[in-house]
Order: sequence, then structure tokens, then C-alpha cells
Amino acid sequence: DVVMTQSPLSLPVTLGQPASISCRSSQSLVYSDGNTYLNWFQQRPGQSPRRLIYKVSNRDSGVPDRFSGSGSGTDFTLKISRVEAEDVGVYYCMQGTHWPPFTFGPGTKVDIK
Amino acid sequence: EVQLVQSGAEVKKPGESLKISCKGSGYSFTSYWIGWVRQMPGKGLEWMGIIYPGDSDTRYSPSFQGQVTISADKSISTAYLQWSSLKASDTAMYYCARQKDFDYWGQGTLVTVSS
Repeated sequence: DVVMTQSPLSLPVTLGQPASISCRSSQSLVYSDGNTYLNWFQQRPGQSPRRLIYKVSNRDSGVPDRFSGSGSGTDFTLKISRVEAEDVGVYYCMQGTHWPPFTFGPGTKVDIK
Repeated sequence: EVQLVQSGAEVKKPGESLKISCKGSGYSFTSYWIGWVRQMPGKGLEWMGIIYPGDSDTRYSPSFQGQVTISADKSISTAYLQWSSLKASDTAMYYCARQKDFDYWGQGTLVTVSS
């Protein structure tokens, strides 16, 4: 199975400041069709997960443009350009290239300093 | 509008059976995989398994193979997750999600197993 790791696991941030979360996979996530199936999810307290980013860098509809995804191969990053109060929650990366199983990272908890 | 609506919270005793549901609407139910994700209290997301309602092709995570059964009734656009004998360790929130994209999620079903 592909193992996903994230760092940091806890990220206290100041409102209006940038934040960055790293995600690494134990093997390349490039699929035979040329796509890289790496998603990012946000889970606000008490809510279902919500997909923010798909295939590394594609923002979902309704996701603010302060969220961006980048990376390739085994190293990926989610950036929030200016953190807002509504961004508090846990962020997960997930690979969909080598399934079954789909595998999630352990999550990064973002809160306000 | 795509929606996945899950059945309500359950409280069960160890050894009891349970079947929870996830009803899809707003899209062609038979054209997308749909599956289940577990979240134990205070923990992260774990993928359990997936079914393609069009032909009932089902895949499981090795961690959950033999522990649960995933099924679907395409006539009512509903997917199911069932246990034949619950354990206390099955206490968790269970989410259905349209897969393989995970673009739409249900609201979650809390399952509590306690004697």
C-alpha cells in the first residue's frame, strides 16, 4: 500500500498569514494515463470532509483562490496564502493512483494562534 | 444538485448486526463508484471499500476485507455498509463518498457500539 505522510501534524497560524502543508507518498503518484491523482481535503470541526484540490493543483468549485496545490511525483504542498478564521480544521492529502486501497495522510490540524 | 444522504445515528450492542445506507441523487447512480470511509473518534480518515452500482463490482481495503460488506441497490440509488457482528472497536463515524474522485460526501452516520 502507498503510505502518505504529512508535515507538520499541527499548524498554529496567525490570521492573515500564509500557511503551508507538505504531503509525501511512499511511491510516485503518476498514473499510466499521465495524471497524478493527489487530492486535498478540508474537514472543519463537526463537518464532513470536503475536497479542495484534485489532481495536485485543480481547485474545486467554490474553493477560495487563497488555496493552492502544487507538487509532483512523491512531494506535494497545499498552501493557504492568507489564513482566515473559517480555514480552521484538519487537512488531509489522499492518493488515488494506486488503489485499492485509496490512502489518506494522517491529517494536519490548522488552528489560530 | 448531487447529494448523498446517509441514514441516522445508531446505537448497538456488541455482537449485533447493522446495515447503514447512503442514498444518492442528482446524478447517474450507476455510473459512478461509491464507497465508505471510517473515522474513529478523534482520528483520521480510513478508506474501507467501494462498489460500482452499475455491475456491483466491489473492492475492499485489506484492513476491512471480511469485516464488513458493501452492497448497492441501483433501483433506489442506495449504497449500504453492513456488519454481521459488531465490536466496540467499530464505534466511529462512517462517511459515504462518490468515488474515485471523492468529490461528494454524505453527512456521516455515527455508529456507537457499547454494552
